[in-house]
Amino acid sequence: DVKVTQSSRYLVKRTGEKVFLECVQDMDHENMFWYRQDPGLGLRLIYFSYDVKMKEKGDIPEGYSVSREKKERFSLILESASTNQTSMYLCASSTTIGGSQHFGDGTRLSIL
Amino acid sequence: AQTVTQSQPEMSVQEAETVTLSCTYDTSESDYYLFWYKQPPSRQMILVIRQEAYKQQNATENRFSVNFQKAAKSFSLKISDSQLGDAAMYFCAYRSIKGGATNKLIFGTGTLLAVQP
Repeated sequence: DVKVTQSSRYLVKRTGEKVFLECVQDMDHENMFWYRQDPGLGLRLIYFSYDVKMKEKGDIPEGYSVSREKKERFSLILESASTNQTSMYLCASSTTIGGSQHFGDGTRLSIL
Repeated sequence: AQTVTQSQPEMSVQEAETVTLSCTYDTSESDYYLFWYKQPPSRQMILVIRQEAYKQQNATENRFSVNFQKAAKSFSLKISDSQLGDAAMYFCAYRSIKGGATNKLIFGTGTLLAVQP
C-alpha cells in the first residue's frame, strides 16, 4: 500500500513565524501535491510538483512556497504565518499516467 | 477552466438503505478521469471509485457504483446497503487525462453523509 506521511497531525504556531510542513511518500510517485481544506470550500490546491525541483502554482499559492529536493519529500513553507492560514493541510502523491492521488492524514495548523 | 459542483452539502440515509450523491462538472475536454473520494472523521482521504470518461460502462466497487452521464456532465455515486462506516465527507473530483503539469485534481465542495442506525 502507498504510504503518504505528514510530519505532524496538529501544529500551533504564532503569527509571523516561518512554518514548515513536511510530507514523505514511499511509492516513488512523480507527482506530489499540497492542498488546504476549509469548510464549505472543499480542497484547494496550493502547489504541486511533477518532478524533483519542479513546481507549479495551484489555485491559492499566495503566502506559501514549496521545496522538492528529493523525489519522496515535498515540503510546504509558510514564509510568515498569518491567522488566515489556519486550516487543514493535506499532502497527496500520484503517478503520472492515470494515477489517482493518495493522501496523508492531514495537518491541522492553527496560527495564533 | 474545469469546475466540479456538489449541490448537496449534507445527506442522511438509514442503515441498509441506498443513497445517491450528486456531482456535476464542466469541461471542454473529451477524455478525463472522474473520482469519488471518502474522508471519514479520522481525516485520511480514501479513493472510493474511479471512472475513465472514454469508458461507457459505469464503474462499480462492491456496494459503490456510479451513474456516469457524459453528455449531461453528471457523475453521481450510489451507495447500496449503507453501513455505519460509510458516514463521511464525500468529494467528487476531476482530472485531465493529460500528463505532466495537468495532473492536479479539481474537487467539489463535498457532501457530508450521515448514516442513521
